Amino acid sequence: EAQVTQNPRYLITVTGKKLTVTCSQNMNHEYMSWYRQDPGLGLRQIYYSMNVEVTDKGDVPEGYKVSRKEKRNFPLILESPSPNQTSLYFCASSLASGRQIGGYTFGSGTRLTVV
Amino acid sequence: GENVEQHPSTLSVQEGDSAVIKCTYSDSASNYFPWYKQELGKRPQLIIDIRSNVGEKKDQRIAVTLNKTAKHFSLHITETQPEDSAVYFCAARKQGGKLIFGQGTELSVKP
Repeated sequence: EAQVTQNPRYLITVTGKKLTVTCSQNMNHEYMSWYRQDPGLGLRQIYYSMNVEVTDKGDVPEGYKVSRKEKRNFPLILESPSPNQTSLYFCASSLASGRQIGGYTFGSGTRLTVV
Repeated sequence: GENVEQHPSTLSVQEGDSAVIKCTYSDSASNYFPWYKQELGKRPQLIIDIRSNVGEKKDQRIAVTLNKTAKHFSLHITETQPEDSAVYFCAARKQGGKLIFGQGTELSVKP
């Protein structure tokens, strides 16, 4: 089944404790992206990647890191989480430019609480 | 920069009525326009999309229209049902670009 898999679904952590949210897709998509969703603020892009070893900042990159060592994986790293990073996070993937572009396929989401 | 404006932010209708959500985009190079439905606590899911070479597309009770000249596109839901209640996002994308999302519309269908 074509899908984007995120883990974990729920996470409660303490301020300053490094964490990684994993994202993996099995559709051979070049483009992958991370969003956070907060009440009243819609979907805000954190980072995105057009292909392996190519990453770029989105609209709200502060406090986050990403890596794209393999095409299928795009982990989101919070080196020193703070309470303002409490949010619902979504990973998404799609075909990239040069082909008939389409919409994103989203992962199931990760609800992160930083206390 | 690239921008997608979505209106209204909230919409309440009676079951059986129609609902219309409108979006405008700024980048005239945009050529792909999807609509996503997000139920509470769940992921956004693609419900319908349209490309710039088409003016209208319909799938059962939902339809999307596109006016490239005015840079407008709209989602129409007819015969609304309580299970249509959700947040709806429009988006626009150009070749080589990323999806630019609207701010979302919270649709409430009252029985």
